[in-house]
Amino acid sequence: AQSVTQLDSQVPVFEEAPVELRCNYSSSVSVYLFWYVQYPNQGLQLLLKYLSGSTLVKSINGFEAEFNKSQTSFHLRKPSVHISDTAEYFCAVSVISGGYNKLIFGAGTRLAVHP
Amino acid sequence: DGGITQSPKYLFRKEGQNVTLSCEQNLNHDAMYWYRQDPGQGLRLIYYSQIVNDFQKGDIAEGYSVSREKKESFPLTVTSAQKNPTAFYLCASSLGQASNIQYFGAGTRLSVL
Repeated sequence: AQSVTQLDSQVPVFEEAPVELRCNYSSSVSVYLFWYVQYPNQGLQLLLKYLSGSTLVKSINGFEAEFNKSQTSFHLRKPSVHISDTAEYFCAVSVISGGYNKLIFGAGTRLAVHP
Repeated sequence: DGGITQSPKYLFRKEGQNVTLSCEQNLNHDAMYWYRQDPGQGLRLIYYSQIVNDFQKGDIAEGYSVSREKKESFPLTVTSAQKNPTAFYLCASSLGQASNIQYFGAGTRLSVL
């Protein structure tokens, strides 16, 4: 069965420091990978996605993630974080199940950016 | 503005009561989904619907029911059979069953009185 593991439940970091949120998945077939961000008491917003092509994908607000097939990882990075990046981040993998694309989520990583 | 609207934002349920959470989308998406979010557990799929008048159970469907009478609407009923309903409920939609990308509403927080 497919699964997604986010290795850190909480990541505290100081403003302007770099950050990496780790994500590993298990799947024996081709996958599509996503990072979603959730601000307090809000829904999930798509941050970035890997569907095919370049293994390095970037968002408009400075985040990037690299698909590493050999290590089955899709870690999220940002070279310099802002207070406004404080949120919960979910890694997800899309797999075919029962004829439709099913999203399987990790447990989430809470990023806390301190001044 | 196109998007997914969930209402109410907060909902309280009494013992033995059924409550219904609303989800409406104007994205012209065929597929819609309901997830439950508990702290530290990520999102778990309750039900999904690929087209009107059709829906399928997800991973944790017990104690819940849905309907899909219109393309735009996918209400979720939390029945009295759901013994631990306190959670954050998220509705999502996607273009179709072949689409990988799901878009989410702002959620409904359900608590038990």
